[in-house]
Amino acid sequence: DAKTTQPPSMDCAEGRAANLPCNHSTISGNEYVYWYRQIHSQGPQYIIHGLKNNETNEMASLIITEDRKSSTLILPHATLRDTAVYYCIVSARGTGTASKLTFGTGTRLQVTL
Amino acid sequence: DGGITQSPKYLFRKEGQNVTLSCEQNLNHDAMYWYRQDPGQGLRLIYYSQIVNDFQKGDIAEGYSVSREKKESFPLTVTSAQKNPTAFYLCATNGLAGTGELFFGEGSRLTVL
Repeated sequence: DAKTTQPPSMDCAEGRAANLPCNHSTISGNEYVYWYRQIHSQGPQYIIHGLKNNETNEMASLIITEDRKSSTLILPHATLRDTAVYYCIVSARGTGTASKLTFGTGTRLQVTL
Repeated sequence: DGGITQSPKYLFRKEGQNVTLSCEQNLNHDAMYWYRQDPGQGLRLIYYSQIVNDFQKGDIAEGYSVSREKKESFPLTVTSAQKNPTAFYLCATNGLAGTGELFFGEGSRLTVL
């Protein structure tokens, strides 16, 4: 699986958009970009994933560059509850095979008043 | 409620004792995984299983053992051979025909005294 690079920490004011970047310059054509977050002392929570098109769900938006070498997770209106570690993961999604996702150290997002 | 149940949430053991962590799921997912997380670090894959009676080593399997006798259950034993067993242990599942995202339990925090 391709490696990812994320800033170790970011701050965001409550109510503002949080834009979390991720570089994955060695991504292969069949690899998806997944985002998870982990609130302190809990299990990670799936947020969103995409292949090459931008994706949006009730939690966030995922913007993937045209060359697929980087992506940005956008939390449109951050709240204090969004304070967490955010993991960007790149992995091939083979139907019928296990998802052995590799979680790095992620970005610690601190949302402040 | 559907979900993943890990127990116990907190566990204290003396050095040299084997410990078994429970992971039960009622999501009817095929695959189950065990991850280990140390403070300030990402998640590392210990073992995973795609089907009953079969499991594979992850990146840090030494000192651990698992079994998969039932689809719903994937217990992890931390043996006395594990040199640094104090950690946060996370169980995850996913359906192999799904979109690849993992569902996590709430974790078990093991402290070896």
